[in-house]
Amino acid sequence: ETGVTQSPTHLIKTRGQQVTLRCSSQSGHNTVSWYQQALGQGPQFIFQYYREEENGRGNFPPRFSGLQFPNYSSELNVNALELDDSALYLCATRAGGTDEQYFGPGTRLTVT
Amino acid sequence: GEDVEQSLFLSVREGDSSVINCTYTDSSSTYLYWYKQEPGAGLQLLTYIFSNMDMKQDQRLTVLLNKKDKHLSLRIADTQTGDSAIYFCAALRGNQFYFGTGTSLTVIP
Repeated sequence: ETGVTQSPTHLIKTRGQQVTLRCSSQSGHNTVSWYQQALGQGPQFIFQYYREEENGRGNFPPRFSGLQFPNYSSELNVNALELDDSALYLCATRAGGTDEQYFGPGTRLTVT
Repeated sequence: GEDVEQSLFLSVREGDSSVINCTYTDSSSTYLYWYKQEPGAGLQLLTYIFSNMDMKQDQRLTVLLNKKDKHLSLRIADTQTGDSAIYFCAALRGNQFYFGTGTSLTVIP
């Protein structure tokens, strides 16, 4: 049990729509990262937030954006959904001063 | 960036040892990790090693790191059917994790 939860579990959206995915972690985990995992691939880093500021970004367009809140929850927002955005979206959190990253169970997004 | 590579498949008999291999390209990676992913689930942290160590043992798991060759391995002793899963190697460089494509381990009863 990692203490990291994600919602919803599954989601189906239509191309062009917008989606918000949510992640909650345990107290003290002030670093959160979001990953996209396509079928048969490893997780790809989207971005990372530390103390509510983005402090790292992978090779994803600006239509992928995020927020981190003081209560250790965070959101991933994706605008103008494309078919290739269909994937498992994972959030992962770390406590300050540690290098142990714990993952949530993921949200499976299907874009039709 | 960082390239992390793994072989795609490994099949072993129950009770044997499994060895999953990984190579990475960036020598500035500070930590190297092994994660396990079961079908439909998130990633479970198994173990990790600091880049200036060459071995770490944790119960049935042994991690070996050859920093010169940028080669990491995970040995699972006495492999059980419950160990069947996809295993991901990951490297931490700066504040970003780079993952391999995963090795699918099948344990034959």
